[in-house]
Amino acid sequence: NAGVTQTPKFQVLKTGQSMTLQCAQDMNHNSMYWYRQDPGMGLRLIYYSASEGTTDKGEVPNGYNVSRLNKREFSLRLESAAPSQTSVYFCASSELLGNTEAFFGQGTRLTVV
Amino acid sequence: GENVEQHPSTLSVQEGDSAVIKCTYSDSASNYFPWYKQELGKGPQLIIDIRSNVGEKKDQRIAVTLNKTAKHFSLHITETQPEDSAVYFCAGPAGGGSEKLVFGKGTKLTVNP
Repeated sequence: NAGVTQTPKFQVLKTGQSMTLQCAQDMNHNSMYWYRQDPGMGLRLIYYSASEGTTDKGEVPNGYNVSRLNKREFSLRLESAAPSQTSVYFCASSELLGNTEAFFGQGTRLTVV
Repeated sequence: GENVEQHPSTLSVQEGDSAVIKCTYSDSASNYFPWYKQELGKGPQLIIDIRSNVGEKKDQRIAVTLNKTAKHFSLHITETQPEDSAVYFCAGPAGGGSEKLVFGKGTKLTVNP
């Protein structure tokens, strides 16, 4: 039982490059989330998926897209990376949206140069 | 987060002292208030949560209190130990009828031996 698995753990991109962050959970959770964490800003919600087949914008969605590929997997795509997207990204999942424990992955440290 | 404020941003205590972190929220409709602990290089992990039908919940040295009238909830850590040093996040309602949670900006707790 691995919980929430994110790949890659580290990534360096050049401005304008694209990439996809992968996330998978093995807890049969309905809801999944992508957050970014910046110094002094806490965890800010980028996108979330309340259940398989649905996705919604969070607090800071600009510059990102997501895909809920199936119940297990929720990917985050940067189409044209910018230095402002340098951050640590966390994927999380929970049984239900909002009022149950969220389980987090180990994070992806992304640097855009 | 959109509607959750957390204070203080940093807290330094001596080993054995108590630590208190407070969060305020604006949406009175929510009924779930969790606290997460994030150790260096890891994702956040739930340490305690409370639902609106109770005013206090304890788990060994950790307690959470909820004041729905004043719209604030607090994390209390007693007999602090060096391993309590971490960043702590509260989460609360995003507001506007949304069920998703938003996080406070975090409190960096340092327990000095």
